[in-house]
Amino acid sequence: KAGVTQTPRYLIKTRGQQVTLSCSPISGHRSVSWYQQTPGQGLQFLFEYFSETQRNKGNFPGRFSGRQFSNSRSEMNVSTLELGDSALYLCASSPSGQEETQYFGPGTRLLVL
Amino acid sequence: KNQVEQSPQSLIILEGKNCTLQCNYTVSPFSNLRWYKQDTGRGPVSLTIMTFSENTKSNGRYTATLDADTKQSSLHITASQLSDSASYICVVSPLAGTASKLTFGTGTRLQVTL
Repeated sequence: KAGVTQTPRYLIKTRGQQVTLSCSPISGHRSVSWYQQTPGQGLQFLFEYFSETQRNKGNFPGRFSGRQFSNSRSEMNVSTLELGDSALYLCASSPSGQEETQYFGPGTRLLVL
Repeated sequence: KNQVEQSPQSLIILEGKNCTLQCNYTVSPFSNLRWYKQDTGRGPVSLTIMTFSENTKSNGRYTATLDADTKQSSLHITASQLSDSASYICVVSPLAGTASKLTFGTGTRLQVTL
């Protein structure tokens, strides 16, 4: 099976812009989670989706949003970008009922200037 | 508050040497503990998973141990190779079936040199 794919792999944006990141889960996985990873902070949980419904949301401002489509693909959006949003954004998918088992994608490296 | 602490933060070893990474957690209740390897610029890849009843789990040259009483885990790497250079992340799950409760350590950055 193909692994989790994320696009784009790299992005450079300026403050105030918005960005949309995309994630395609492993075939058959209906759960998708998003994480922000910064040096020293480790992985911070953003959202968890299952069957197009957001099941959980982490402690991030409302500028961070996401959605999941009927084919389980997911997108996350960050509006009004700030310098501190520079990070590696990781998407992970899980088999149903095993959401604590995370298969990670390669990530999208976002740099905000 | 659930926490996972890893030590050391970083480590440099010579190729061929062994090393041990530590993970202490205060997560409760406890379901399982995973060690992930994350190469630079890539997503984490699972190395081992251990539940409450398991003391040791091996994956090639990687051996993880778990002491559920003291809430400590270690990852031992034998005969290190240059390709072992990566960050190693300890992740504890308090509940099965949800990603939102996973507690991640900040990782140990390992560099293997000639």
